[in-house]
Amino acid sequence: AQSVAQPEDQVNVAEGNPLTVKCTYSVSGNPYLFWYVQYPNRGLQFLLKYITGDNLVKGSYGFEAEFNKSQTSFHLKKPSALVSDSALYFCAVRDSWGNFNKFYFGSGTKLNVKP
Amino acid sequence: DAGVIQSPRHEVTEMGQEVTLRCKPISGHDYLFWYRQTMMRGLELLIYFNNNVPIDDSGMPEDRFSAKMPNASFSTLKIQPSEPRDSAVYFCASSSGLSRGYTFGSGTRLTVV
Repeated sequence: AQSVAQPEDQVNVAEGNPLTVKCTYSVSGNPYLFWYVQYPNRGLQFLLKYITGDNLVKGSYGFEAEFNKSQTSFHLKKPSALVSDSALYFCAVRDSWGNFNKFYFGSGTKLNVKP
Repeated sequence: DAGVIQSPRHEVTEMGQEVTLRCKPISGHDYLFWYRQTMMRGLELLIYFNNNVPIDDSGMPEDRFSAKMPNASFSTLKIQPSEPRDSAVYFCASSSGLSRGYTFGSGTRLTVV
């Protein structure tokens, strides 16, 4: 079965410091991996995706994610956090075997960036 | 492009009433998804359509829930009768291909009292 895990419910970081939001995945075939961000009272917004190619993927708002096949991880990173990055972040994996159009979302990680 | 449009943004209804949520996907997207978000269960896929045809409704919780997509630009999610445990934020999302992400609407916050 396909799944993603976000081991941290909440991540706290000071503005200007680097941030990491963790995600691990489990898939039967090749993973299609995504990160989404949700601001209060809004829908999820696409940040970045990994399909194939370079293990370091760059996305919106200065975010990047590193795909690590051996560790089955896809951690979200940003070199210098902003207060405006405070939001709920979801990792998702697309089913690459069978039902290609189902996404499996993690439980979400709340990022708090303090001034 | 206006994105995925959902209506209403908020809905408060009494237990036992019928509720209809509406969604207009992005033009040209041939996949449409309905999700429900709660604190307890996170994001749950309820049903999705491809070219207006329901493909997987295994996430629909009970017979009280039904979804339709009469054409490429409109979908509804109906709950009849509604119950307090249906209170959640319901998201619609659309997509245009296997390697693409979803575009989500802003959601409908449903409260059943």
